[in-house]
Order: sequence, then structure tokens, then C-alpha cells
Amino acid sequence: DTEVTQTPKHLVMGMTNKKSLKCEQHMGHRAMYWYKQKAKKPPELMFVYSYEKLSINESVPSRFSPECPNSSLLNLHLHALQPEDSALYLCASSQDIRVGANYGYTFGSGTRLTVV
Amino acid sequence: QKEVEQDPGPLSVPEGAIVSLNCTYSNSAFQYFMWYRQYSRKGPELLMYTYSSGNKEDGRFTAQVDKSSKYISLFIRDSQPSDSATYLCAMSDFTDNQGGKLIFGQGTELSVKP
Repeated sequence: DTEVTQTPKHLVMGMTNKKSLKCEQHMGHRAMYWYKQKAKKPPELMFVYSYEKLSINESVPSRFSPECPNSSLLNLHLHALQPEDSALYLCASSQDIRVGANYGYTFGSGTRLTVV
Repeated sequence: QKEVEQDPGPLSVPEGAIVSLNCTYSNSAFQYFMWYRQYSRKGPELLMYTYSSGNKEDGRFTAQVDKSSKYISLFIRDSQPSDSATYLCAMSDFTDNQGGKLIFGQGTELSVKP
């Protein structure tokens, strides 16, 4: 299995809702990442997990809350989002953070989030 | 000034053309360079990676890095309509405790016409 699987593929949520995005990989990778991508823009790093520990938080607002329950699973909990948070949320993984930095990541297909 | 500059295009070429995609960067500490391809409504897919300066070839794709000029290129030979996508360059400097962070270019939108 060489894939990063993200669910759901599409999500529409109101500004008062709580929802979660899920990301799963079974490649034995120990680094996992959340990126946010707006239309016609490059991906922007949000969080990095290394061996299930939060390694980087790129000053992301607290309405985004990441969680790494085990080495295969990464969640992004969403609460009280704003319409400007509408974007494609991408999960990625790599063997570890050094391999990721040197040789790149495997990305999932993303969750397209719309906040209304 | 952005750390990585990439012409967003769009770039339109006829099928069979040689395509040249480029990025410039300002951080001389970058040593690892990647190219990703992203189809519409999909996640980026890693095409190639290179370390430091030099060339790397994989089928119809060739990646070049010129660290002295802080310039990287991706060449696509015999371009096909299936190559139509957005191409993102990415780079990193792991020694700077970036913790696996990749810096992406803006992405170039490529369209190959039959």
C-alpha cells in the first residue's frame, strides 16, 4: 500500500459546526503533515508530526486542532471555522522528517472544505 | 521577496513540444530540490528529487539544479496532453531545523494541446 488516504473528500460545514478530517497511511511512515492549499496557490504547511509527536505548528489558529492517535493515523479537528478557511486540506507522509525534507512526501488527494 | 519564485503561467504548448519549467530561489542553504505534478482537484504527486547541483533524468523528464545561479529547471520532452497539470517546485534545508518543511513555488499551470 503506497497511498495516503484522506476522508472525507468533500466537506461543507457551518461556522458553528465541529468536524474532523482523517488521514491514514500504511507505509510505515513516521512523519505526517497537514497542508492547506487555496485555489491557484502553493500548499502551505500547517503541522508536522514526527513519531506521533507534534514537531511543527506554523502558528495555525486554535480553531484547527491536530491529533496523531497512532503512527498510521492523523486527524485534523475543526471548530468555529471562518469562510476564509475554505480550501483543499492535504495530508502527507514520509519515512521520517529528514527523508521528507530530502526526498519529498507522499500526498493524499485532499479534503475540499467549504465553510458557509 | 518570496523565498521561491515560479512563473505561474499558464503555459500552453502543442503536443510533442519540449517544455521548460523553472524556479529561482533566494536561500543559498537550500540543498534538496523536488518537482511535484498536481492534477486538478488532486494532491501533488512527487515527480523527481535532486540533491545539490547537477542533472537527473527519468524517462521524458529531466531535472536540473544550478546552485551558483539559484535556479532549478524541469524539462519535459515529447509533451503529451496527459502532462497538462500544475507543476510545483519545492525545496528544503533540513540542516536549518526546518523539521521536514518544504518551501513550494507558486506552481506553473501547463496545458498541452493535441
